[in-house]
Amino acid sequence: NAGVTQTPKFQVLKTGQSMTLQCAQDMNHEYMSWYRQDPGMGLRLIHYSVGAGITDQGEVPNGYNVSRSTTEDFPLRLLSAAPSQTSVYFCASSYSTGFPGELFFGEGSRLTVL
Amino acid sequence: GQQVMQIPQYQHVQEGEDFTTYCNSSTTLSNIQWYKQRPGGHPVFLIQLVKSGEVKKQKRLTFQFGEAKKNSSLHITATQTTDVGTYFCAGPSKSSASKIIFGSGTRLSIRP
Repeated sequence: NAGVTQTPKFQVLKTGQSMTLQCAQDMNHEYMSWYRQDPGMGLRLIHYSVGAGITDQGEVPNGYNVSRSTTEDFPLRLLSAAPSQTSVYFCASSYSTGFPGELFFGEGSRLTVL
Repeated sequence: GQQVMQIPQYQHVQEGEDFTTYCNSSTTLSNIQWYKQRPGGHPVFLIQLVKSGEVKKQKRLTFQFGEAKKNSSLHITATQTTDVGTYFCAGPSKSSASKIIFGSGTRLSIRP
């Protein structure tokens, strides 16, 4: 039982490049979300999903796209990377949706945009 | 917009001293969660509080949810070096219960 798996763990991009951060969970959780964490700061919600085919915006959605074609996967796409998107990205999942309980986090993906 | 603030931002204590972090929301929360993040790690769930005035204990950790459900606290008795990390509170957004908003966190460091 792997839990929440994020890939890659580290990535360096040049400004303007695009990439996808992968997130997969094997707990059959309906709820999945993406957060970014900047140095010395809390976690800010980018996008979330309450089930396959359903996504919604969080606090800081600009510059990011998501899709949820399966229950297991919730990829985060950076369309045209900017230095302001340098951050650590965490994917999280939960068994409940309307009233999310415990969030299970992946180990994070550290992204640097030059 | 809705804000979830935590104080203090940093706390440096001598091992064995007590520690408290406070979480304040600009709006009423249906529930509140607490997480711990070790340096270089990912957030790990500690507890969820749902009822007004609720108090829960986990060994040396005591969690409290305010009567008005707009604030919460985490108190650690007799800190140990294993308590080092950042403690976050989190709650649902007023606009959507599925949108979980995190507080700014309190970083705890400990002098052995």
